[in-house]
Amino acid sequence: GENVEQHPSTLSVQEGDSAVIKCTYSDSASNYFPWYKQELGKRPQLIIDIRSNVGEKKDQRIAVTLNKTAKHFSLHITETQPEDSAVYFCAASNGNNNDMRFGAGTRLTVKP
Amino acid sequence: KAGVTQTPRYLIKTRGQQVTLSCSPISGHRSVSWYQQTPGQGLQFLFEYFSETQRNKGNFPGRFSGRQFSNSRSEMNVSTLELGDSALYLCASSPGLYNTGELFFGEGSRLTVL
Repeated sequence: GENVEQHPSTLSVQEGDSAVIKCTYSDSASNYFPWYKQELGKRPQLIIDIRSNVGEKKDQRIAVTLNKTAKHFSLHITETQPEDSAVYFCAASNGNNNDMRFGAGTRLTVKP
Repeated sequence: KAGVTQTPRYLIKTRGQQVTLSCSPISGHRSVSWYQQTPGQGLQFLFEYFSETQRNKGNFPGRFSGRQFSNSRSEMNVSTLELGDSALYLCASSPGLYNTGELFFGEGSRLTVL
């Protein structure tokens, strides 16, 4: 099955700086790559996703890039704010969500 | 629309016991996935059900099982509990059809095994 690796496991940035989280996947059949944010004590929630027919997607301060050839994708957060502090999970799926596999998570801390 | 509902939210069991967790998906969603979340291990995929059929299973021992009912509600069962089964168990629902994207998570059932 799919194997997703995520780096770094922890990331600390100063408010206003950018943060980048990277993931790799193993199954070339994967075609859907979401990112979830989990705040302390809360459920994971989707923040952005990308499909394999697109190389980049942006939504305000967050963006995701996908390199299908290299089987890696990244989350970019610009102008970080304290409320961005959370655990971020990348995931990969074959599209019908019967096998969505997640990375181990990155704990992002934004210092004011 | 009501979100994904998991019960119970918290429970404490002792080694050797068994436990059943329940998940009610968003109305109209036919796919339910289960994940085990532990610190440092992220979200480990347990299994996924669609229209009462298990479509996929992760790398967990046979002590972990599940089922889905005709109304799409799902249960998972863990038998002969071990200390290492202590975790947050999350279920997530989606329409389950191709290219439907987002998984909607419940708040989880936190299991403590003593």
